[in-house]
Amino acid sequence: GEDVEQSLFLSVREGDSSVINCTYTDSSSTYLYWYKQEPGAGLQLLTYIFSNMDMKQDQRLTVLLNKKDKHLSLRIADTQTGDSAIYFCAESRGRRGADGLTFGKGTHLIIQP
Amino acid sequence: DSGVTQTPKHLITATGQRVTLRCSPRSGDLSVYWYQQSLDQGLQFLIQYYNGEERAKGNILERFSAQQFPDLHSELNLSSLELGDSALYFCASSQFEGNEPQHFGDGTRLSIL
Repeated sequence: GEDVEQSLFLSVREGDSSVINCTYTDSSSTYLYWYKQEPGAGLQLLTYIFSNMDMKQDQRLTVLLNKKDKHLSLRIADTQTGDSAIYFCAESRGRRGADGLTFGKGTHLIIQP
Repeated sequence: DSGVTQTPKHLITATGQRVTLRCSPRSGDLSVYWYQQSLDQGLQFLIQYYNGEERAKGNILERFSAQQFPDLHSELNLSSLELGDSALYFCASSQFEGNEPQHFGDGTRLSIL
């Protein structure tokens, strides 16, 4: 299909790891991104990965990329209440990303105390 | 704070009217992108400008237009407004033409009555 797919909801306990999954569509996408949106706020760039990498770690965040399956995941270690938000996966399509970013519908991360 | 400034934060108007949304990119960024976020369509890329010139078009209606000025700020003009145009409109900026991280503003919430 042509859509970037994500699960709509993920519920985790505080202190556990959260894993948010995404499947993208364009095998020629150069960069893949994770953005975070808190209620009433804009989109915050969390992290991104270049397509020739398969893993990137940044403090509590780990991004895994499986190009063969066009699968991207974001792992948040030691999930805190402040991590409660919508997480968007996005890919950069087209010639040099000229088609703008294509976003998934977002995953609502719900933290249980 | 992403460094991207959007004004106004909220806009309420009526059907048939015309509005202008404004965006100032991060210092040093040459590209500006406009996106629309609505409940039914999610986040959709509208248009990109690079150093004053239009670079890419996405799902932008003919009633909508944009421009980027010599000081690199951008305006998105929405005319003949319809109820379905109610959405959150985001501006993003990046340093060059594409395939690099885009940093988003906090958005303008447009409500059509």
